[in-house]
Amino acid sequence: KQEVTQIPAALSVPEGENLVLNCSFTDSAIYNLQWFRQDPGKGLTSLLLIQSSQREQTSGRLNASLDKSSGRSTLYIAASQPGDSATYLCATYSGGGADGLTFGKGTHLIIQP
Amino acid sequence: SQTIHQWPATLVQPVGSPLSLECTVEGTSNPNLYWYRQAAGRGLQLLFYSVGIGQISSEVPQNLSASRPQDRQFILSSKKLLLSDSGFYLCAWSGRRYEQYFGPGTRLTVT
Repeated sequence: KQEVTQIPAALSVPEGENLVLNCSFTDSAIYNLQWFRQDPGKGLTSLLLIQSSQREQTSGRLNASLDKSSGRSTLYIAASQPGDSATYLCATYSGGGADGLTFGKGTHLIIQP
Repeated sequence: SQTIHQWPATLVQPVGSPLSLECTVEGTSNPNLYWYRQAAGRGLQLLFYSVGIGQISSEVPQNLSASRPQDRQFILSSKKLLLSDSGFYLCAWSGRRYEQYFGPGTRLTVT
């Protein structure tokens, strides 16, 4: 059974810093990996999707990488801003039709103004 | 563009009462649909998924059920709520690339 772990569980950094969030998974046979952002009391916003054949994806100040063989993904946030404060969730999809995502417990990020 | 709606946004129900949460998707046809639950201190847990009208698969045994009466409508129900049913319920849909998109969620408190 797939297990997804996110480290650190919480992170607080001053505005302007570059930072890296880590995600690891136990079963490398994934179809894709998705990074989400969740604001308090809200639903999930999809940030980046990486297919199993890809190594990285970029959107604005965000860059996500995927190393299937080692079971790791990282989310890099450049020039952090207070508006980036949120919980970031990593999830894997293993294929097999319409099975759901397996989520990590998230990294709670606070960007200090 | 596609949008996903959930209602109600919040709900407070007594133990033993029935439950009906609704999810609808606009702007796409024949989506895969999902119900997840996010409980305090726990990760997101898949409850049900559906690949088409009337086709429901359950991931976790519980006192909840799901139905898909129309292509873009997904309903989560219970006949008698338990305290442990409290949580944040999220509906999602996925397209061809199996990228999932989530609704705004329903906060359920069982008292």
